[in-house]
Amino acid sequence: DAKTTQPPSMDCAEGRAANLPCNHSTISGNEYVYWYRQIHSQGPQYIIHGLKNNETNEMASLIITEDRKSSTLILPHATLRDTAVYYCIREGGATNKLIFGTGTLLAVQP
Amino acid sequence: SAVISQKPSRDICQRGTSLTIQCQVDSQVTMMFWYRQQPGQSLTLIATANQGSEATYESGFVIDKFPISRPNLTFSTLTVSNMSPEDSSIYLCSVAEDRYTEAFFGQGTRLTVV
Repeated sequence: DAKTTQPPSMDCAEGRAANLPCNHSTISGNEYVYWYRQIHSQGPQYIIHGLKNNETNEMASLIITEDRKSSTLILPHATLRDTAVYYCIREGGATNKLIFGTGTLLAVQP
Repeated sequence: SAVISQKPSRDICQRGTSLTIQCQVDSQVTMMFWYRQQPGQSLTLIATANQGSEATYESGFVIDKFPISRPNLTFSTLTVSNMSPEDSSIYLCSVAEDRYTEAFFGQGTRLTVV
């Protein structure tokens, strides 16, 4: 049970911001939210993770709602190379065991 | 970041045979995992490879079918035993240096069973 809900697919125009939503309404207090992506035929790549506060790194921003029931991954300026399946994952057992859901296929259009 | 080398990158095997996949990491890591990705599907966790002890398997996976070794903090193997066409998948090794840190994935082993 992945315990997160994501739209199966999204489109985004190249150069625009891509906003990928994730619902995790049953998240518990000690569970982090992780985002990974998988570009075709490659192993998954870590993007970002957070617990309560919004986070930003060189790849993306993670916005977590105050009640922590949902989050949004933001790619500020999407490029064609950002076309991938994006996975939102809850992990709170301090084990780093990642239970993948079906993810969102983001297609960046020229 | 950890660099993971998986071997072989791909293989075609006869049903009934076994294949051992190797995962080598360029640094010592606390956690190592094995995943399976069936065609067109998401990743499924097979097991956690524990150093010096038996692996911890997820529901639906058993040691007789997927024996795992982890002799040290940088190396692990996954064997797919008595293969059938349903075992055709990509098998991925993943590592994490510590709890609550990012996980790194190998490029995977693409297995086709004929």
